[in-house]
Amino acid sequence: GQNIDQPTEMTATEGAIVQINCTYQTSGFNGLFWYQQHAGEAPTFLSYNVLDGLEEKGRFSSFLSRSKGYSYLLLKELQMKDSASYLCAVRDSNYQLIWGAGTKLIIKP
Amino acid sequence: DVKVTQSSRYLVKRTGEKVFLECVQDMDHENMFWYRQDPGLGLRLIYFSYDVKMKEKGDIPEGYSVSREKKERFSLILESASTNQTSMYLCASSLWGESNTGELFFGEGSRLTVL
Repeated sequence: GQNIDQPTEMTATEGAIVQINCTYQTSGFNGLFWYQQHAGEAPTFLSYNVLDGLEEKGRFSSFLSRSKGYSYLLLKELQMKDSASYLCAVRDSNYQLIWGAGTKLIIKP
Repeated sequence: DVKVTQSSRYLVKRTGEKVFLECVQDMDHENMFWYRQDPGLGLRLIYFSYDVKMKEKGDIPEGYSVSREKKERFSLILESASTNQTSMYLCASSLWGESNTGELFFGEGSRLTVL
């Protein structure tokens, strides 16, 4: 079956760096997405990787290794507003999205 | 900016009632989706549509139906609500093509409680 694994919850300190991992086993691969979802709100798009390597966008970066079925989202200079759930999703060979359960990130002062 | 609007943020219904969840997007996207989100689970696709009057079953279509009579509007219908359909329902739209990633734009969600 198809599967996306990511940690359920992580805690980090304001101003620090945190890495949220995502591993996947899917039928084919046509891109990996990261979304941010604040409590009670809609998910919003953060990043997209389809080729191996690092994509940087301000304080957020996303890395992909297709051979390892692995991605991470790196958040630098953490702010309290980064407290949210982070969702990893992979688009499979049928162009359907497979979603992880999300990682709840708690930022402490 | 793309805006996806869901008609109701919170609904409380009784078992057996018919429930309509409406979703409208304003960016002329071809693709529209209905998901449900439950604690500890990834988003699960109920139905999607790639064009007007077109619909495809997702992973969990049982107990649901959809309607897409206009490009901008995608409705989710629960013919006879049951308590196990208590959930957060998310509508999304996307533009798919070679020049874009096809990321989803989500509505604010509709939290449905079935008593």
